[in-house]
Amino acid sequence: EIVLTQSPGTLSLSPGERATLSCRASQSVSSNYLAWYQQKPGQAPRLLMYGVSNRATGIPDRFSGSGSGTDFTLTISRLEPEDFAVYYCQQYGSSPLTFGGGTKVEI
Amino acid sequence: QVHLVESGGGVVQPGRSLRLSCAASGFTFSDYAICWVRQAPGKGLEWVALISSDGTHKSYADSVKGRFTMSRDNSKNTLYLQMNSLRVEDTAVYFCAREVLDSYYFDYWGQGTLVTVSS
Repeated sequence: EIVLTQSPGTLSLSPGERATLSCRASQSVSSNYLAWYQQKPGQAPRLLMYGVSNRATGIPDRFSGSGSGTDFTLTISRLEPEDFAVYYCQQYGSSPLTFGGGTKVEI
Repeated sequence: QVHLVESGGGVVQPGRSLRLSCAASGFTFSDYAICWVRQAPGKGLEWVALISSDGTHKSYADSVKGRFTMSRDNSKNTLYLQMNSLRVEDTAVYFCAREVLDSYYFDYWGQGTLVTVSS
């Protein structure tokens, strides 16, 4: 099983600042099959990125993804008030599908 | 517009059973694999099970294998999760989510249904 470790656990930033979230895998993620989701309190997760760097439909371009192998990054270039949430990475290159523990981006 | 609506959650004693449903609309249900993902209170996401578009292939997390069974009725656009021998650690919000075709990541999610296992 691929274990995904996200860091930091909590990121305290202000609107307009840049956020850099890390997701590290215990072994190489096959074909860079890595996705990112955003979850706000009381809501379902929302797909942000897939295939490391592809934005899902309707996701603004201030969100970007990068990385390969075992190290991946989600960057939010300029935080908007609606971006304060918890972010999860997910690998889908091998079974079982696994999620990281999440990074909370707070004001 | 794609909608997934879970139902069937509630409070149940350890060792008992519960069946969750996920009703889909707004897309051709029979074209898509669907999964269940759960989230314990205050915790992260955990993949539980996945079923192929035609229902012939299923996979389960080790934590639920042998206790949970996923099925679907494509004529009713509905997905089911039969949960037997429930444990306290199964307490969570259960989400159903639609898999992006042949990809194993998920583009639409329901709002979830809460299952509480407690004596």
